[in-house]
Amino acid sequence: GQQLNQSPQSMFIQEGEDVSMNCTSSSIFNTWLWYKQDPGEGPVLLIALYKAGELTSNGRLTAQFGITRKDSFLNISASIPSDVGIYFCAGHKRGGADGLTFGKGTHLIIQP
Amino acid sequence: NAGVTQTPKFRILKIGQSMTLQCAQDMNHNYMYWYRQDPGMGLKLIYYSVGAGITDKGEVPNGYNVSRSTTEDFPLRLELAAPSQTSVYFCATSGARQDTQYFGPGTRLTVL
Repeated sequence: GQQLNQSPQSMFIQEGEDVSMNCTSSSIFNTWLWYKQDPGEGPVLLIALYKAGELTSNGRLTAQFGITRKDSFLNISASIPSDVGIYFCAGHKRGGADGLTFGKGTHLIIQP
Repeated sequence: NAGVTQTPKFRILKIGQSMTLQCAQDMNHNYMYWYRQDPGMGLKLIYYSVGAGITDKGEVPNGYNVSRSTTEDFPLRLELAAPSQTSVYFCATSGARQDTQYFGPGTRLTVL
């Protein structure tokens, strides 16, 4: 089955730095979503994008739905310790098997 | 309002045993899903349901069965557990926007 190409695989940053991660696909998706997963927990929805070119913010998080509908990025500004975790992108195809297609995740680590 | 709940949190099975993973939601959502997450990977869809009495296969359905007799509950059944089914299982739901899914806390299953 298809998986989205998510990069980078991991990021080591200093507190206060900005973070950028992205997700690409060989096929078109109609919806892009970004989730955060803490250890031992389920994914928590951060941002949902429904329209090509859409730019949406949620506090310090900003995500964009690529014009080609084959990519999306997530930015986190001024990172703080609680941002540590694994970030997943997911795509949904209208008329597909109704499930989401996930990337493998970006592991964000904040160095003291 | 508990959202999506899953039981048990952890379980160890012997090869060949069977068990049912429980999922319940109080959001009155029609759509429900089961995913599995293997180490270092994104989530993959096992089964989904668009409403009570209606279920369909996802990407990786082999070795699993589901039923949906009520809107609230969507149990996942493993009949003959195999080591390949060692994984973390997540239940999810979606409402009016089918493409926007909300996840439970997960069940960590080990088959020895």
